Amino acid sequence: GAGVSQTPSNKVTEKGKYVELRCDPISGHTALYWYRQSLGQGPEFLIYFQGTGAADDSGLPNDRFFAVRPEGSVSTLKIQRTERGDSAVYLCASSQRGDTEQYFGPGTRLTVT
Amino acid sequence: QKEVEQDPGPLSVPEGAIVSLNCTYSNSAFQYFMWYRQYSRKGPELLMYTYSSGNKEDGRFTAQVDKSSKYISLFIRDSQPSDSATYLCAMSGPLGGTSYGKLTFGQGTILTVHP
Repeated sequence: GAGVSQTPSNKVTEKGKYVELRCDPISGHTALYWYRQSLGQGPEFLIYFQGTGAADDSGLPNDRFFAVRPEGSVSTLKIQRTERGDSAVYLCASSQRGDTEQYFGPGTRLTVT
Repeated sequence: QKEVEQDPGPLSVPEGAIVSLNCTYSNSAFQYFMWYRQYSRKGPELLMYTYSSGNKEDGRFTAQVDKSSKYISLFIRDSQPSDSATYLCAMSGPLGGTSYGKLTFGQGTILTVHP
């Protein structure tokens, strides 16, 4: 079956602009996760959804970052007033029951100039 | 100090060699341990998943967890050039705990298997 998909694959934006990154999880997976991976580092947790609600958003770095999952499937990560330090690969993962077997998408490479 | 420490390498081995990759961790609450493989410009791919201490084998891959030493390993037998990638360890706390489902990753080890 289809895996986790993310769009766009690459996004270049100017400092101060607003961006939206989309994640389409594996069909039937109730849990969805966002991670951020900087060059040469492992992914770092941002936020976790169980269904439509954010079960844990403790990894969001500040209030410029926000994520939604209105129908319990597709999720959008929103970043306001982007900064150069936001440049990274944003990874989405899903799991069947909110367990630790998570399956990752290819990521969105965000570059803030 | 990071919760999960992983030597970034790079590690270069000849084809057919046995590869040993390791991570140490400081959080004794971690109960679930995973290894992911990540090719360049791709997302991480789940390779091995282990609960608590012990060994798990899947084809050429063996994962070991020693909770008493807070040390996990991944062994790759008969390594192939197609195994060349970054290997990430990841771990999570117990079911019902605050860190369950929230993976904490190591930095990743870059592995090259040359023909």
